[in-house]
Amino acid sequence: DTEVTQTPKHLVMGMTNKKSLKCEQHMGHRAMYWYKQKAKKPPELMFVYSYEKLSINESVPSRFSPECPNSSLLNLHLHALQPEDSALYLCASSSKTEGTQYFGPGTRLTVL
Amino acid sequence: QQQVKQSPQSLIVQKGGIPIINCAYENTAFDYFPWYQQFPGKGPALLIAIRPDVSEKKEGRFTISFNKSAKQFSLHIMDSQPGDSATYFCAARSPDSNYQLIWGAGTKLIIKP
Repeated sequence: DTEVTQTPKHLVMGMTNKKSLKCEQHMGHRAMYWYKQKAKKPPELMFVYSYEKLSINESVPSRFSPECPNSSLLNLHLHALQPEDSALYLCASSSKTEGTQYFGPGTRLTVL
Repeated sequence: QQQVKQSPQSLIVQKGGIPIINCAYENTAFDYFPWYQQFPGKGPALLIAIRPDVSEKKEGRFTISFNKSAKQFSLHIMDSQPGDSATYFCAARSPDSNYQLIWGAGTKLIIKP
């Protein structure tokens, strides 16, 4: 089973809202990733967690705040987003940072 | 050096034809080359992957050809079907950069019935 689940599927939020995106995997993977994907573009890496520790932060604005409560869960907390943050947010996991990455279905975020 | 160049940007092929998507790279340290298939509104799904010590890998109707000396690799889809219509991304894994994936720009493939 190579399933990564993400909730919600769609999210519409105003610029003053606080919301969270959730990601879960039960493959025993120890690396988890957040990507942002704009239309007709490849995914852009935002954060990498390895063994529940943040290992890569690709200079993402502080209005995005990742959290890894345990080895199966990954959250992305959103606050004071801008309309240009509207995108498909993808979670991925791999057995380790050098392993094959498996992606979830994504959360389509719209910021009004 | 950390780029992967993918072509063409879009491709239309008749059903049963063999679409070919090409990727080129510069960094010889890249050690793993996956292809992902993405349908609209979905996450990328791993299709097939190859390591640089192998020249060809086949899985079902999908084949990767790898030319290490030319630093190029390509995806061939045999007996293409309308259900193969999707965006395809090549990628390369970079040990120099904490094993991050370096992505090609993507190819939008349409298979006409």
